[in-house]
Amino acid sequence: QVQLQESGPGLVKPSQTLSLTCSVSGGSISRGDYYWSWIRQPPGKGLEWIGYFSFSGSTLYNPSLKSRVIMSVDTSKNHFSLELSFVTAADTAVYYCVRDTSGAARPRFDYWGQGTLVTVSS
Amino acid sequence: DIQMTQSPSSLSASIGDRVTITCRASQSISTYLNWYQQKPGKAPKLLIYAASSLQSGVPSRFSGSGSGTDFTLTISSLQPEDFATYYCQQSYSSRTFGQGTKVDI
Repeated sequence: QVQLQESGPGLVKPSQTLSLTCSVSGGSISRGDYYWSWIRQPPGKGLEWIGYFSFSGSTLYNPSLKSRVIMSVDTSKNHFSLELSFVTAADTAVYYCVRDTSGAARPRFDYWGQGTLVTVSS
Repeated sequence: DIQMTQSPSSLSASIGDRVTITCRASQSISTYLNWYQQKPGKAPKLLIYAASSLQSGVPSRFSGSGSGTDFTLTISSLQPEDFATYYCQQSYSSRTFGQGTKVDI
């Protein structure tokens, strides 16, 4: 059973960089048939896909966030990371790390972390 | 970018009701359409993928249909545990979610 767990600061100051890590257990992050995504949800609002990457090198970011997002992976620790720069209060949200079955005929998000709330405030 | 529009935004229903939620894509997405259920304080859960395939472990009262631009999620007989928010999501080009449909009493 694949499990994902987000970790990182719960409070970030405006204009600084939000950094989160997702630890994956029960499966290797190096498998080329999966993408690894970040999705966020502002309090009381809907879901917003931030972007994905794969071990094979495929990367795609939401155009609305692309200029501020960097995703990376550490295969030795079986975890992947998100950096979102120049944050504002609008970036306050629950952030989820998610597995994307990119290798499937119809990709979907099948495993989700529990989510971590990040608040942007001075 | 492909936009996903759900209707209604919310609905009230009773136990045993048949509930239908629709999702429309701004362009054709074939059957690259998934449905998720989210309960308060929890991560979303995959219900239906590829428009009509039931995810393992999901009760058979959930079903999906559609292709192209118009899709439907149906709950055949609403149960107490089904009160939640439902989201559609396309994976045809990049990834986009609908705005959600809240199902309550």
